[in-house]
Amino acid sequence: EPEVTQTPSHQVTQMGQEVILRCVPISNHLYFYWYRQILGQKVEFLVSFYNNEISEKSEIFDDQFSVERPDGSNFTLKIRSTKLEDSAMYFCASRTDTSQETQYFGPGTRLLVL
Amino acid sequence: RKEVEQDPGPFNVPEGATVAFNCTYSNSASQSFFWYRQDCRKEPKLLMSVYSSGNEDGRFTAQLNRASQYISLLIRDSKLSDSATYLCVVNTDDYKLSFGAGTTVTVRA
Repeated sequence: EPEVTQTPSHQVTQMGQEVILRCVPISNHLYFYWYRQILGQKVEFLVSFYNNEISEKSEIFDDQFSVERPDGSNFTLKIRSTKLEDSAMYFCASRTDTSQETQYFGPGTRLLVL
Repeated sequence: RKEVEQDPGPFNVPEGATVAFNCTYSNSASQSFFWYRQDCRKEPKLLMSVYSSGNEDGRFTAQLNRASQYISLLIRDSKLSDSATYLCVVNTDDYKLSFGAGTTVTVRA
């Protein structure tokens, strides 16, 4: 069964450093998403991406964040200058361009900012 | 008002019991509804979509009440493996899912 993959599974970084989180969505999917979940809190939408551009972004997704689909398979989230409050689990998700709206989630990257 | 609200629980039930819980959503324009399951420190996994007519998948039954804007999930004949956090999820447009904070269910032997 095809699945969304994410790397790395864990990332520890110093405050102010840049991090890039990587995702490989399911191959025939066309909509891509990033969500985050701070420990003990709910899953929060960050950004959606379709047709090589951002479709929607949340208030969390400020100028420190960017997304890119550099090739036909990878989808990345970059945080330019990490803050302590960026520590969270980051989930990538994808779905097809059909009436079915189910999003499939990757296993997540646990980011810890020190 | 939160977009999606759930009773956090925990619901602590014996094996074989039936457990049910609800969630409410605030946006009447919401189009699609789901229950996801999340195990500790893992990704959300789709349990089932929720349709207006109600739907069943094995031991799981989901109901949607659009007039009252609530969604329910019922688990029959609970198994130890049903222990998890159940996330109520609502899709208002094509671009994002709104998650509830989750209802924790613990099934004990």
